[in-house]
Amino acid sequence: QKEVEQNSGPLSVPEGAIASLNCTYSDRGSQSFFWYRQYSGKSPELIMFIYSNGDKEDGRFTAQLNKASQYVSLLIRDSQPSDSATYLCAFTYSGGYQKVTFGTGTKLQVIP
Amino acid sequence: NAGVTQTPKFQVLKTGQSMTLQCAQDMNHNSMYWYRQDPGMGLRLIYYSASEGTTDKGEVPNGYNVSRLNKREFSLRLESAAPSQTSVYFCASSTWGNEQFFGPGTRLTVL
Repeated sequence: QKEVEQNSGPLSVPEGAIASLNCTYSDRGSQSFFWYRQYSGKSPELIMFIYSNGDKEDGRFTAQLNKASQYVSLLIRDSQPSDSATYLCAFTYSGGYQKVTFGTGTKLQVIP
Repeated sequence: NAGVTQTPKFQVLKTGQSMTLQCAQDMNHNSMYWYRQDPGMGLRLIYYSASEGTTDKGEVPNGYNVSRLNKREFSLRLESAAPSQTSVYFCASSTWGNEQFFGPGTRLTVL
């Protein structure tokens, strides 16, 4: 089993709709969870992080964490064409060192 | 602040040649990382340095060496490049366990 699983997509949503991106992970002791956005040909940039179960909102973005079910999701409300990118989820291990493990990313396409 | 800088941006090597990728950060972060990104494989950790003076292997260290020159600089060396090392290389820095800031990347082709 891969440490982190993401649907590679592409996920296509119309402009103004809600985009829902999901990520599952295998390490029950994982502590911190991150969502990065990566535009084509560019480097990843952090858009959200979440440490506790529940929802965390930041503008049009909401991260949801369920440690019991081992999934984390990202909702993007009022999707815009500028949101079209690859979204990477990531988490830190609970072991003696806190390296970050990245998923392979979900490609989001927002159709005008 | 420049954030994380990487040089060069592009490089073409022949099999067997060596090169060093340079990375520097001006955010006073303790931790620095080297990743490679290949299509469909996501970001894979090559080496990391939790703090100045320490380095550790990541997921795919074979064929690479690193040097944490000081708190600001972390270099990645390919001693004898192979076509399998064709990739995009990202350097990142962070406070330990927290948000990582990435450099612009180096696009390396090994012929």
